[in-house]
Amino acid sequence: GAGVSQSPSNKVTEKGKDVELRCDPISGHTALYWYRQSLGQGLEFLIYFQGNSAPDKSGLPSDRFSAERTGGSVSTLTIQRTQQEDSAVYLCASSLDGVGPQLIGTQYFGPGTRLTVL
Amino acid sequence: AQSVTQLDSHVSVSEGTPVLLRCNYSSSYSPSLFWYVQHPNKGLQLLLKYTSAATLVKGINGFEAEFKKSETSFHLTKPSAHMSDAAEYFCVVSAGTSGGSYIPTFGRGTSLIVHP
Repeated sequence: GAGVSQSPSNKVTEKGKDVELRCDPISGHTALYWYRQSLGQGLEFLIYFQGNSAPDKSGLPSDRFSAERTGGSVSTLTIQRTQQEDSAVYLCASSLDGVGPQLIGTQYFGPGTRLTVL
Repeated sequence: AQSVTQLDSHVSVSEGTPVLLRCNYSSSYSPSLFWYVQHPNKGLQLLLKYTSAATLVKGINGFEAEFKKSETSFHLTKPSAHMSDAAEYFCVVSAGTSGGSYIPTFGRGTSLIVHP
């Protein structure tokens, strides 16, 4: 496929359970972002992967949240012991970021995973 | 540090009239600025971006934005609204940090409503 894909598209879980959200970026894109969008809110940055560099985890809201990116491609966002306030749409984006603002690539967003914690 | 403020949560226009969506930003470094659009139940799509070249930036679907450093603004405009422009619009700033990170900051969004 040509775009960013995310799975599942919808996830309903019970409070306290762990969930894994998957993102397949565009092939060749070096940068990958995870965001969270709550109802009526803007996008909240969670984590940023760029090439082989250590990820920027500064946006993760708690230690229940973690993410990894295997082989510089697919990424998984894991939320442990989910809480009701974790309910949101989780968006993934990829881009051809480089060094310096001139080379910040256009972000291509996936359709998102809607997470509902009961 | 960087931030972005979208001054209107909702903007309502009639079809065929001009559109103005306002955005102000702050940053410690020279910023890159973006506008994204999100149609209902669709993914986010880039409308246009400014990265220190021409201050007037033209994007898709007839939209354009002007970077005004003195006013720290990057307002989005379109001469004539179409019904298909009804969507959520996000202004984004990415200005870098001393550590070399360019994590973008999104505004809270402006909902554009277009009346027939």
